[in-house]
Amino acid sequence: KQEVTQIPAALSVPEGENLVLNCSFTDSAIYNLQWFRQDPGKGLTSLLLIQSSQREQTSGRLNASLDKSSGRSTLYIAASQPGDSATYLCAGYNFNKFYFGSGTKLNVKP
Amino acid sequence: DTGVSQDPRHKITKRGQNVTFRCDPISEHNRLYWYRQTLGQGPEFLTYFQNEAQLEKSRLLSDRFSAERPKGSFSTLEIQRTEQGDSAMYLCASSLSESGYEQYFGPGTRLTVT
Repeated sequence: KQEVTQIPAALSVPEGENLVLNCSFTDSAIYNLQWFRQDPGKGLTSLLLIQSSQREQTSGRLNASLDKSSGRSTLYIAASQPGDSATYLCAGYNFNKFYFGSGTKLNVKP
Repeated sequence: DTGVSQDPRHKITKRGQNVTFRCDPISEHNRLYWYRQTLGQGPEFLTYFQNEAQLEKSRLLSDRFSAERPKGSFSTLEIQRTEQGDSAMYLCASSLSESGYEQYFGPGTRLTVT
């Protein structure tokens, strides 16, 4: 069974810092990978999708990369803002379903 | 594109009662997924549909749970004889298999079993 680990579980940084969130899979046979943001009590908002033929994706201040050989992905957030405070979840897709990590809870202090 | 919608947003029920949740996916999406999420955890896969066919069910989906997607449009998730352990957020997502399976989630239904 695919297990997904996200490190760190929680992170508190001052506004303006660049930061890296990590995600790793026990089974590196991932077809694609998606990063999400979740605000308290809400559904998940898609941030970035890295498809099977890609190694990274960028959207604004966000950059996600995927190393399939090691089963690891990172989400880089540049110049963090208080509005970035949320839980960030990674999900790997294989065998017709997504496997989620428990998330990294990010707090960006003004 | 109006997004994925779920109804109700919150449901409080007494143990032993049956509950039904509805999910309306993005209209052209052929895949629909149900997940359960408890506090501090990521979503756990329950089941998914390709059009109207239910193709896979998790072992988490006991005999008390049933899901349908008639005509490949909206879906319902029913829980019979609810237990306190069923209290969770139930999330629905949809995707288009031709676009890399990128999932779009609804706002979720928060179930509280008292």
